[in-house]
Order: sequence, then structure tokens, then C-alpha cells
Amino acid sequence: DAGITQSPRHKVTETGTPVTLRCHQTENHRYMYWYRQDPGHGLRLIHYSYGVKDTDKGEVSDGYSVSRSKTEDFLLTLESATSSQTSVYFCAISGDGYYQPQHFGDGTRLSIL
Amino acid sequence: SQQGEEDPQALSIQEGENATMNCSYKTSINNLQWYRQNSGRGLVHLILIRSNEREKHSGRLRVTLDTSKKSSSLLITASRAADTASYFCATATQGGSEKLVFGKGTKLTVNP
Repeated sequence: DAGITQSPRHKVTETGTPVTLRCHQTENHRYMYWYRQDPGHGLRLIHYSYGVKDTDKGEVSDGYSVSRSKTEDFLLTLESATSSQTSVYFCAISGDGYYQPQHFGDGTRLSIL
Repeated sequence: SQQGEEDPQALSIQEGENATMNCSYKTSINNLQWYRQNSGRGLVHLILIRSNEREKHSGRLRVTLDTSKKSSSLLITASRAADTASYFCATATQGGSEKLVFGKGTKLTVNP
């Protein structure tokens, strides 16, 4: 399995509080991604990074920010969590090259009450 | 917006039977990938097929791609109970594979 660790694995918090999810990789891969998975919607890209300090928006980026200060860590922040952000969040990584698969962590289940 | 749509949404078969899942997409692609997700786990990459390829095999998996019909199929032969999972297609539509768009998945149940 690719060396990807997501933390925390489960979190329950209240509306309006800030939340930060962490993704840590040991593969030295250039690309890192944050997705959310919801019933009826499949997997949707929130943000991704193509290098240290280099990030771009995905399909559902509103309400989320990211940071990548080191190759191995990619942080996803919900500045003021809302109930609509209750979801399972997955981090993924991929290497350089035109035809690279993505490797996923086991997810963070986030509940916002 | 969803690029790939899997069909059927759910499939239940007996061990030893073959399972076929289909994926349709809307725009031109660079490559198409299939992933498996076991309950409570992350997605696992199964196979990638490039837009200029028509068929690929990996063990008991066979993937076909028809770019004229904008569709792909995943065939699992001689299925096992351990194949029970959700299967997703994902399309890469620009540059390389850094921006994948996933379908909603097919939930496969293989009964012992």
C-alpha cells in the first residue's frame, strides 16, 4: 500500500468551528489531492497540489482552503464548518508522468452538527 | 459535474460468474481508469487505459474502451466473494491524470 496517512480518521464538531484535516505521504510524490465522497455524488475533487506551495481548485472548492509547505504534507481547512460539509474526505497522491494512477488514503469521516 | 456514469448502479451475482460494469462519459478523454473501493476504505487503482488503446487485461480483469461511443466496460471473470466492492470509473480530460473526474460507482455483491 502507498504510504498515505490521514488524520484524524473520525471527527465530530459543531457548525462554525474551524477544522483542519491532514494528509501525510512517505512516497515523495509530486501531486496530492483532496476529495469528498457523498452518497449520490461519488467522489468530487476539492483542491489539489502539484508541488510545495502550488495548489489549484477542484470542482467543489468553495468553503475549503489548502496548504502545502512540505512535499509530504497537504492540509485541508474548513475555516467555518457547515453541516453541508459533513462527508468522508479522501486524500490521494500521484507521481509525475502523463499516465499516473492515484493512490488513496483510508479517509476521514467528518460530522458537523 | 459528473463526467463518467457507471451502469448498473448495483449488481448481485454468484461466485464463479462474470461481472460486467459499464461507464459512459461525455467529453474527449486522455485516459480512463477503474478503481475499486471496499467498504470503509479508500479507492484502489485497478487499471488505466489510454485513449488510443481498445482493450487491456490484468489478471481476471478486462477493460475495453470505445472512444467513438464514449464508453468503457470492466469485466471481472470468475468472480469471488472478495470482489464484493464498489467500482468506479474515472476520466482524465486534460493534460495528464492530475484532474480525474469520477463516476458514482457500481456496487457489486458476489454471493458465496
